Amino acid sequence: GAGVSQSPRYKVAKRGQDVALRCDPISGHVSLFWYQQALGQGPEFLTYFQNEAQLDKSGLPSDRFFAERPEGSVSTLKIQRTQQEDSAVYLCASSLNRVSYEQYFGPGTRLTVT
Amino acid sequence: GQQVMQIPQYQHVQEGEDFTTYCNSSTTLSNIQWYKQRPGGHPVFLIQLVKSGEVKKQKRLTFQFGEAKKNSSLHITATQTTDVGTYFCAGYNFNKFYFGSGTKLNVKP
Repeated sequence: GAGVSQSPRYKVAKRGQDVALRCDPISGHVSLFWYQQALGQGPEFLTYFQNEAQLDKSGLPSDRFFAERPEGSVSTLKIQRTQQEDSAVYLCASSLNRVSYEQYFGPGTRLTVT
Repeated sequence: GQQVMQIPQYQHVQEGEDFTTYCNSSTTLSNIQWYKQRPGGHPVFLIQLVKSGEVKKQKRLTFQFGEAKKNSSLHITATQTTDVGTYFCAGYNFNKFYFGSGTKLNVKP
């Protein structure tokens, strides 16, 4: 079946622009995570959804970052007034139900802020 | 705050040699997962360990979870060129996963 998909795969934004990154999880997966991965580093937790409920957003670096999953499937990560330090790969992962199950990662969106 | 440290950062081996990467957490973990990320790719789930002292094997890969559930290791026997990539551990606590910084494995044929 289809895996986790993310769009766009690449995004170049000028500093100060707003961006929206989309994640389509595997159908039926309850849990959804967003991560930020800097070059040469491990994924860093941003936020977690169980269905439409955002249960943990403690990893969002600032109030410029906002995530939603209104119908419990597709999720959007929005970054307002992008800064150069926001440049990274943003990964989305979904898991079947309980959060401790294996995560299936999407290909990521590489964001470059110029 | 919670941290998961992973060593070594890089490992270069000759094909056929063994490889081990280690993870240490500052706090006790509920479980730990291991992922492999090929160059240019995304993390792919390998295994999850839940019980104290648990050992699991997948062909040439052996995974261990420490008795105190604060450390873990991945050992690859007789590496092959297909093992090239970065191996991450991810410790789970309180609704989130804490990833190590990864060990990048290079295998020379």
